[in-house]
Amino acid sequence: GQSLEQPSEVTAVEGAIVQINCTYQTSGFYGLSWYQQHDGGAPTFLSYNALDGLEETGRFSSFLSRSDSYGYLLLQELQMKDSASYFCAVNQAGTALIFGKGTTLSVSS
Amino acid sequence: KAGVTQTPRYLIKTRGQQVTLSCSPISGHRSVSWYQQTPGQGLQFLFEYFSETQRNKGNFPGRFSGRQFSNSRSEMNVSTLELGDSALYLCARSGREERTWELFFGEGSRLTVL
Repeated sequence: GQSLEQPSEVTAVEGAIVQINCTYQTSGFYGLSWYQQHDGGAPTFLSYNALDGLEETGRFSSFLSRSDSYGYLLLQELQMKDSASYFCAVNQAGTALIFGKGTTLSVSS
Repeated sequence: KAGVTQTPRYLIKTRGQQVTLSCSPISGHRSVSWYQQTPGQGLQFLFEYFSETQRNKGNFPGRFSGRQFSNSRSEMNVSTLELGDSALYLCARSGREERTWELFFGEGSRLTVL
């Protein structure tokens, strides 16, 4: 089977940096995706890491360490609109994308 | 835009009834996945279809079934509804077929079972 662990909640203030961690246990691992979902909205794709290292997309970055079965999403210069749920998801052989339970990020002023 | 249309957006059923949900990806996209989302449980995988064939299936009871048509539209059916089936049911298409990690989700069908 497979499992993903991520914190259930994270809080931060505007302008700060926050890191959302994700650890996984799976076989046939290809890569790790991140999705954002605002209240009442659909999940939207943020980033994907297939190789070790950091991928940067504007204020968001995602990191993967395959040897540690660990990744994180880094959000910089936080804005109120970043308040949302964030999901990590593993892409693996022989099955569809499997999601973690999500991390609710609350950004306050 | 995600290019995925789900209908109906909201529906209310009672225990024991059955429900059919529909999902239409934009033209040219043959892969469709279904997920169930409940508070605190994240997105749980139900099915994946590609060109009318079920490619993968999640760990749900047989009351949950699905199919895909030749025009890529997909339906999922839940029979003998239980209270615990109340959830947001999300359908997604993949990007280019090799980008299986990048899903584009519809707005979902919110099912309430009373």
